[in-house]
Amino acid sequence: DAGVIQSPRHEVTEMGQEVTLRCKPISGHNSLFWYRQTMMRGLELLIYFNNNVPIDDSGMPEDRFSAKMPNASFSTLKIQPSEPRDSAVYFCASSSAFLRGDTQYFGPGTRLTVL
Amino acid sequence: KNEVEQSPQNLTAQEGEFITINCSYSVGISALHWLQQHPGGGIVSLFMLSSGKKKHGRLIATINIQEKHSSLHITASHPRDSAVYICAVSGFGNEKLTFGTGTRLTIIP
Repeated sequence: DAGVIQSPRHEVTEMGQEVTLRCKPISGHNSLFWYRQTMMRGLELLIYFNNNVPIDDSGMPEDRFSAKMPNASFSTLKIQPSEPRDSAVYFCASSSAFLRGDTQYFGPGTRLTVL
Repeated sequence: KNEVEQSPQNLTAQEGEFITINCSYSVGISALHWLQQHPGGGIVSLFMLSSGKKKHGRLIATINIQEKHSSLHITASHPRDSAVYICAVSGFGNEKLTFGTGTRLTIIP
């Protein structure tokens, strides 16, 4: 299996622009997680889905952030409009069970820089 | 006070030394995870445990549920073990992970 796939790996954009990050989970996994990592705050959960349904979005910073999972093999995280404070590494992870806290497999991350 | 605390924040040791990284948490959990983040940024899950002890190669993870404490041990440390080690916990009824701030380990040849 190719593991969790994220694209793009690097994104540089200007303040105010829309940014879309993409994730393909491991085939057969039914939970998907979006995380953000910054030097100041470390790793934080933004949102997670189970069977394509958002379960917990309490970590989504504000209305500028939105996430979708239209099917079991694809998810997007969108920031509109982007701000410099959104600069971070965004990780997607997937796992194969719900309510058992199964091992999460992380993608390589997308490094976002907002100028 | 953070729900998950790790110590030490930074650790430098000589190759071959026995390494211990500690994690304490303040809430009830269903599982505790140890993750490794390589210098290049990739994150790998090392262990998930809810009781007792697990071993994988030179890595050993233990957890004491009553004391709300876990340790990650590395035997015969090697420079390739240099990484940030992150403790995370998941609560009952959901998979949401709450992370510690990480321990940066540097092994000197």
